[in-house]
Amino acid sequence: EVQLVESGGGLVQPGGSLRLTCAASGLTFSSYWMSWVRQAPGKGLEWVANIRQDGGENFFVDSVRGRFTISRDNAKNSLYLQMHSLRAEDTAVYYCATIAVAQSFFDYWGQGTLVTVSS
Amino acid sequence: QSALTQPPSVSGSPGQSVAISCTGTSSDVGAYKDVSWYQQHPGKVPKLIIHDVNKRPSGVPDRFSGSKSGNTASLTISGLQADDEADYYCCSYAGSPYVFGTGTKVTVL
Repeated sequence: EVQLVESGGGLVQPGGSLRLTCAASGLTFSSYWMSWVRQAPGKGLEWVANIRQDGGENFFVDSVRGRFTISRDNAKNSLYLQMHSLRAEDTAVYYCATIAVAQSFFDYWGQGTLVTVSS
Repeated sequence: QSALTQPPSVSGSPGQSVAISCTGTSSDVGAYKDVSWYQQHPGKVPKLIIHDVNKRPSGVPDRFSGSKSGNTASLTISGLQADDEADYYCCSYAGSPYVFGTGTKVTVL
């Protein structure tokens, strides 16, 4: 059974930093593009970032580019999102998700971790 | 990277059909076959129900169907059931980013 478990969320002040982790199991992690998708309270889904299987390529939504970095450790079956210069509008549940192999849709999702940016 | 446009809400009685539109541009929905749909019940994780415009993953009832014409994709739910009451989001690949729709709340009357 595929499991994606996010951790690292919490309360952080505006301008602060936070690192999210997604631990994957039940799949060949190194075969998947991985993504972070977020959902602000009561709002819709927003794609945040992608990273290629070998970590050599990544993409970001405009609103986080330059503030967030995405990385992975295939030996640890883990995905990371390092967030800097956090803003109130970054408050959301952050989900990690797999992009189906050789496809362009999100097939497995974690339960999400809540990030709250507030003073 | 503007969100795809969906109606905020649609409703129908049990057994009826409802359709949800998802309007993008020639840079996303109109450019790629990579349109997917996700169902999200309150407090739950999104679940893939349609990919590649009209393909259903294993286990998804054939009451759910998808289509696309030009810059607009659509999800149709036939034979509406109580458990279909949820939020639905479309999503399109757009070159390197992905873009989600604004979301539609389906209410079963």
